[in-house]
Amino acid sequence: NAGVTQTPKFQVLKTGQSMTLQCAQDMNHEYMSWYRQDPGMGLRLIHYSVGAGITDQGEVPNGYNVSRSTTEDFPLRLLSAAPSQTSVYFCASSSRAPSNQPQHFGDGTRLSIL
Amino acid sequence: TQLLEQSPQFLSIQEGENLTVYCNSSSVFSSLQWYRQEPGEGPVLLVTVVTGGEVKKLKRLTFQFGDARKDSSLHITAAQPGDTGLYLCAGDLGSNYKLTFGKGTLLTVNP
Repeated sequence: NAGVTQTPKFQVLKTGQSMTLQCAQDMNHEYMSWYRQDPGMGLRLIHYSVGAGITDQGEVPNGYNVSRSTTEDFPLRLLSAAPSQTSVYFCASSSRAPSNQPQHFGDGTRLSIL
Repeated sequence: TQLLEQSPQFLSIQEGENLTVYCNSSSVFSSLQWYRQEPGEGPVLLVTVVTGGEVKKLKRLTFQFGDARKDSSLHITAAQPGDTGLYLCAGDLGSNYKLTFGKGTLLTVNP
């Protein structure tokens, strides 16, 4: 029962470095998304995908890139890390639109930018 | 501008007490969801409400969607320490693919 798997669980970066947060799901879900959670801010949608090859921007997309080459994987790339990107990042998936179907979340990646 | 306001922000109660938390907006939502999140984990969906005036019960939890679909409440009866967590509401503003989350209510139930 893997569900949604995020790696790494923790990461420390220096300003200007790039990295990719990995997300994989084994439920054959079409919809996948990335959120960031900051203290006092709730979850904010970064990017989402409705299927392989299709991605779109969420509420806070600047500084992040995504791609969806397979149904299973939805990596999030930080191009040039900034301290403002220090956050907890959650990946989620659902069989269809998240307003209609349960959205399954991973356990998050805790990212610190120094 | 926060589209979904949750109150209270923090709530600490004793085991056995009842409580209600609220999720309010000036916008109309097609549907609204409640999640619970425990430390170090991702949110877990509790319920989805879609019809104005709808009431759903999940054991000791009762969820209500306002008649105008602009607000919702979560009532917990006889709270237990296992209910401790961050309760988040989330709704869609006409886009089924973009959920807007509130900031959450952090509930602590003391034994």
